[in-house]
Amino acid sequence: DQQVKQNSPSLSVQEGRISILNCDYTNSMFDYFLWYKKYPAEGPTFLISISSIKDKNEDGRFTVFLNKSAKHLSLHIVPSQPGDSAVYFCAAGALSGNTPLVFGKGTRLSVIA
Amino acid sequence: DTGVSQNPRHKITKRGQNVTFRCDPISEHNRLYWYRQTLGQGPEFLTYFQNEAQLEKSRLLSDRFSAERPKGSFSTLEIQRTEQGDSAMYLCASSLDRGRWNSPLHFGNGTRLTVT
Repeated sequence: DQQVKQNSPSLSVQEGRISILNCDYTNSMFDYFLWYKKYPAEGPTFLISISSIKDKNEDGRFTVFLNKSAKHLSLHIVPSQPGDSAVYFCAAGALSGNTPLVFGKGTRLSVIA
Repeated sequence: DTGVSQNPRHKITKRGQNVTFRCDPISEHNRLYWYRQTLGQGPEFLTYFQNEAQLEKSRLLSDRFSAERPKGSFSTLEIQRTEQGDSAMYLCASSLDRGRWNSPLHFGNGTRLTVT
């Protein structure tokens, strides 16, 4: 039973364009959502988060959008850069309490120069 | 902030042997997590400590697995009688419990276990 789903295993985008990575979740108790980036041979690195009281959070080139009714979130990267090439994981959990984060399977982003 | 440190980075062992991994969290972080990641999958939760107390264990954590966090500082994860299915990247993460809201997990670079 996969509670967090990233249905696109890979995505290729040209440098300078927008990258949009998608994530769906099934557990309506989740109210805290995060995106992590992972380079080979390194652990995941936290990028950006959003709680269910918001529908958008922005940090530089990265914006996360949350659609609670659709149980869907997306990460937008504008403009995309070659250094953004990595695997991106969506994670969901509880804003308070002890619920561990649940991760999706990841989307491999390739930004082509 | 020196980050989360994991040792060793790589471990190759023969089936049936015991292995132990160590994790040193970010010093002020009171929560510590162990996750496991296999090829093509995201990190899967194994267990979690708040200070020295182990608060939750996943059903993925068979009785061959044991984790400790003495004195609420570093943590060890031991796997007894390793099996080939235990081959994976074992990730440690830590976070700061701010009392009300959870904060992001900070991951180490993992220990890659290969069981031959």
